[in-house]
Amino acid sequence: EDKVVQSPLSLVVHEGDTVTLNCSYEVTNFRSLLWYKQEKKAPTFLFMLTSSGIEKKSGRLSSILDKKELFSILNITATQTGDSAIYLCAPPTGGTSYGKLTFGQGTILTVHP
Amino acid sequence: EAQVTQNPRYLITVTGKKLTVTCSQNMNHEYMSWYRQDPGLGLRQIYYSMNVEVTDKGDVPEGYKVSRKEKRNFPLILESPSPNQTSLYFCASSLSGVHGYTFGSGTRLTVV
Repeated sequence: EDKVVQSPLSLVVHEGDTVTLNCSYEVTNFRSLLWYKQEKKAPTFLFMLTSSGIEKKSGRLSSILDKKELFSILNITATQTGDSAIYLCAPPTGGTSYGKLTFGQGTILTVHP
Repeated sequence: EAQVTQNPRYLITVTGKKLTVTCSQNMNHEYMSWYRQDPGLGLRQIYYSMNVEVTDKGDVPEGYKVSRKEKRNFPLILESPSPNQTSLYFCASSLSGVHGYTFGSGTRLTVV
């Protein structure tokens, strides 16, 4: 059975801090890992990772994948109150179709001014 | 504008009264999917579709039906809704299963 575990479940920081969110997975036929940010509405896509060791970057957010150790991290530097959200990771699975998407529980990030 | 459109945004219904939540995308995406989100249980996939007339179960398909007769539309059908199907529902579409999904704005369903 596919398994996705995120940690920590909850994180409270102050503006300017740097945070690291973790996502570990156990899936068959791994192809990619997806990161999402969810504020008070629908999840929005952040990154797709397919290769180990190659950092994806978007502004203050970056993410990297370790396919050998089966985990990914999402880093946010110089956090702002607008970064407060639930961060979700999910590796597509489902045989060769890769249509099945099992999300982790999410990390609730709260950034105080 | 590229988007996934769900309707209705809010729905209150009674137990046993059949309902359909519509989902449409304008990005010519192959993959479409339905999720429900519940406090403490996170986001769980109900059904997904890889193309027209091709669908498969996600993690929580019981009590739901889907159909994909056209590429752009993927309605979610609750034949006999029950209170435990009260939830926030999201539809999403993707170019392929391994790429990122674009989510609709959500449908908040209450079954009384």
